[in-house]
Amino acid sequence: SQKIEQNSEALNIQEGKTATLTCNYTNYSPAYLQWYRQDPGRGPVFLLLIRENEKEKRKERLKVTFDTTLKQSLFHITASQPADSATYLCALDIPRGSQGNLIFGKGTKLSVKP
Amino acid sequence: DGGITQSPKYLFRKEGQNVTLSCEQNLNHDAMYWYRQDPGQGLRLIYYSQIVNDFQKGDIAEGYSVSREKKESFPLTVTSAQKNPTAFYLCASGTGVRKLFFGSGTQLSVL
Repeated sequence: SQKIEQNSEALNIQEGKTATLTCNYTNYSPAYLQWYRQDPGRGPVFLLLIRENEKEKRKERLKVTFDTTLKQSLFHITASQPADSATYLCALDIPRGSQGNLIFGKGTKLSVKP
Repeated sequence: DGGITQSPKYLFRKEGQNVTLSCEQNLNHDAMYWYRQDPGQGLRLIYYSQIVNDFQKGDIAEGYSVSREKKESFPLTVTSAQKNPTAFYLCASGTGVRKLFFGSGTQLSVL
């Protein structure tokens, strides 16, 4: 079965530095890989989606890469701020039903210190 | 104001009791999903529905039931058969699996 792993449970960095979060998966390559942000006691919020034929995608201070050879996605937050502190989840689609389903990693809790 | 609404925010269940979690969306999405989240765990899929009057079991459907009588609504019942129901329950909707919209969640606890 497909497995998805986010290497670090927690990541602590200093404000202004770049945070880099890792997501690895096994077995087949998904058509899409997504990143979500979750704050305590709230539902996840969609951030970025990257397709298997895209190497990199950017949105403001966020950058996602997708390496289908390594079966890995990296999620970068540049010029990090304390407001970026949250848990970040990666998710990938698996074929089930006519539209597939998403499976989620356990998340990496990012803490940005002032 | 479009979105997905879950209620209640907190819910307590007594032994042997069935409880129902509400999920309503006004985003006109066909697909709706229920996930369960335990501390330190990823989201696990309970049930999903891709069209009205049809739904499918996810990875951990035992002890749960759903209905999809209207496009906007996808309630989840946690039955007494679910022996470990304490968790954070999340409802989501989408036009497919790309870019899901989540509700704010229901924390269910056992008395």
